[in-house]
Formats: sequence, C-alpha cells, structure tokens
Amino acid sequence: DVKVTQSSRYLVKRTGEKVFLECVQDMDHENMFWYRQDPGLGLRLIYFSYDVKMKEKGDIPEGYSVSREKKERFSLILESASTNQTSMYLCASSKSSDRVNGPQHFGDGTRLSIL
Amino acid sequence: GQNIDQPTEMTATEGAIVQINCTYQTSGFNGLFWYQQHAGEAPTFLSYNVLDGLEEKGRFSSFLSRSKGYSYLLLKELQMKDSASYLCAVSDSNYQLIWGAGTKLIIKP
Repeated sequence: DVKVTQSSRYLVKRTGEKVFLECVQDMDHENMFWYRQDPGLGLRLIYFSYDVKMKEKGDIPEGYSVSREKKERFSLILESASTNQTSMYLCASSKSSDRVNGPQHFGDGTRLSIL
Repeated sequence: GQNIDQPTEMTATEGAIVQINCTYQTSGFNGLFWYQQHAGEAPTFLSYNVLDGLEEKGRFSSFLSRSKGYSYLLLKELQMKDSASYLCAVSDSNYQLIWGAGTKLIIKP
C-alpha cells in the first residue's frame, strides 16, 4: 500500500513565523501535491511537482513556497505565516503514468493554526 | 469559471440505498473521481469515470454523463461505517483536479 506521511498532525504557530510542512511518500511516485482544505470549500491546490527540483503553482500559491530536493519528499513553506493560513493541509502523490487519470494518494493531513 | 456542485449534507438509513449527485462545469474533461473522507482522515480513492455509463465496484457504483456534466455515486446496503464525506473531483483540460466541497453523509440506525 502507498504510504504518504505528513510530519505533524497538529501544529500551532505564531503570525510572522516561517513554517515548514513536510511530506514523504514511499512508493517512488513522480507526482506530489499540496492542498489546503477549508470548511465549505473544495480542496484547493497550492503547489505541485512532477519531478525532483520541479515545481509549479496551483490555484492559490500566494504566501507559500515549496521544495522538492528528493523524489520522496515534498515540503511546503509558509514564508511569513498569517492567520488566514489557518487550515488543514493535505499532501498527495501519484505515479507519473497516473498523471492523466489518477488516483492521488493522500496523507492524513496537518491541521495548522496560526495565532 | 470552473465549478463542481454537490449537496452539502445527506442523511440515510442503515441498509438503504443513497445516491450522491455531482454536477460540473469545467474547461475540458479528462475524467471524474470520487473519494471518501472520514472525519479527521485522508481522502481515499473510490472510483474513476471517463466514459459515459455506470461503473460498479461492490456496494458502490458511479455513473457519468458527459453531455449533461453530471455524475452520481450510488451506495447500496448502507453500513454505519459509510458515514463520511464524499468528494467529487474533475480532471480538467490541463489534467488538474477541480474539487467539489464534498457531501457529508450521515447514516442513521
């Protein structure tokens, strides 16, 4: 089974801090994604990566950056955390051959609170 | 703009059948996915439709009509463990997933 592991289930940070969310997958997937999930809204794509060192902006990249130095690891960085970034963050991965038709495999999520 | 609509919440009885609808308007279409998400857990893949018609997988079936921009997820012989949110997502012309807000399904004994 595919395992996508996010470093923290719950995280509390202060406004202005630089925040790192880590995601590791163990199935040699080429594609990795970061989403945020808010009540009443669908999952919104922040950034994605189709290969090591590659990154592409999703629908809501403002205030975020990412790093993909190794194939199995995809990090999301909040450069200067703000209260409107309080959310559930979900990492997902998929095989390259599945770029067209999924499925994406998700981690358990990190519930981030910015005070 | 791109839009996925599904009901916010539905209630059904254990042992019954429930149909969760999803309508979409997207720039292009490369398939429709259904995911299940239990509270506090990761979404898990249920089904994928790219051609019109019904795909059956055990107690769960998914239907697609591309001309109508419409899909449904049918759950039969409902069990208490089916209480979850069901997410509809469409792959658009860029193969990006556009997600609905999800339907929270409540199963009553």
